[in-house]
Amino acid sequence: GNSVTQMEGPVTLSEEAFLTINCTYTATGYPSLFWYVQYPGEGLQLLLKATKADDKGSNKGFEATYRKETTSFHLEKGSVQVSDSAVYFCALSVPDYGNKLVFGAGTILRVKS
Amino acid sequence: GAVVSQHPSRVICKSGTSVKIECRSLDFQATTMFWYRQFPKKSLMLMATSNEGSKATYEQGVEKDKFLINHASLTLSTLTVTSAHPEDSSFYICSAWTSGTYEQYFGPGTRLTVT
Repeated sequence: GNSVTQMEGPVTLSEEAFLTINCTYTATGYPSLFWYVQYPGEGLQLLLKATKADDKGSNKGFEATYRKETTSFHLEKGSVQVSDSAVYFCALSVPDYGNKLVFGAGTILRVKS
Repeated sequence: GAVVSQHPSRVICKSGTSVKIECRSLDFQATTMFWYRQFPKKSLMLMATSNEGSKATYEQGVEKDKFLINHASLTLSTLTVTSAHPEDSSFYICSAWTSGTYEQYFGPGTRLTVT
């Protein structure tokens, strides 16, 4: 089946620290991979995506590389800010699954000044 | 571009009443809309998939007679929670999918509280 596993949080970091949130997946087909961010009280926003192996998605200083050999799509940022505090969801979509998104459990990130 | 709105953003209703939530794609046509439910500090649970002009497809365990979904046009889908009970209190999020970008765009969510 299709599933996404991401590291449980909360992750608490100091401002300017390096961030890694691990995400691995299983998929029956060739998935597209996504990271979504949810700020308190809001819906989800697409942060970045990658549609094929070795693609690197990047946005707002965040990046993730589609690693087919390790079935991973880890999210990284070199220097986090307080404003990055949010919940981050890793997700996949498989074309023959009706374009549905399968989400990981979400990781709460808290950045302290 | 690719903005999805939901209305209302918050609603409080009494147990036993019904409440309708609207999801609109404002600047694009959405072939498919999805409805999710999110519990506190939990991930999103897909409730149903709706395609314009056809019946919604519900995920296993979701009561279709309780959560009525109508997708009347390429820009509007509605979710009606019928005979609401306190356990239906949750954050409901819709998304709209377009074949233009093969992406889902999410609405801001609706906080439903049933008293």
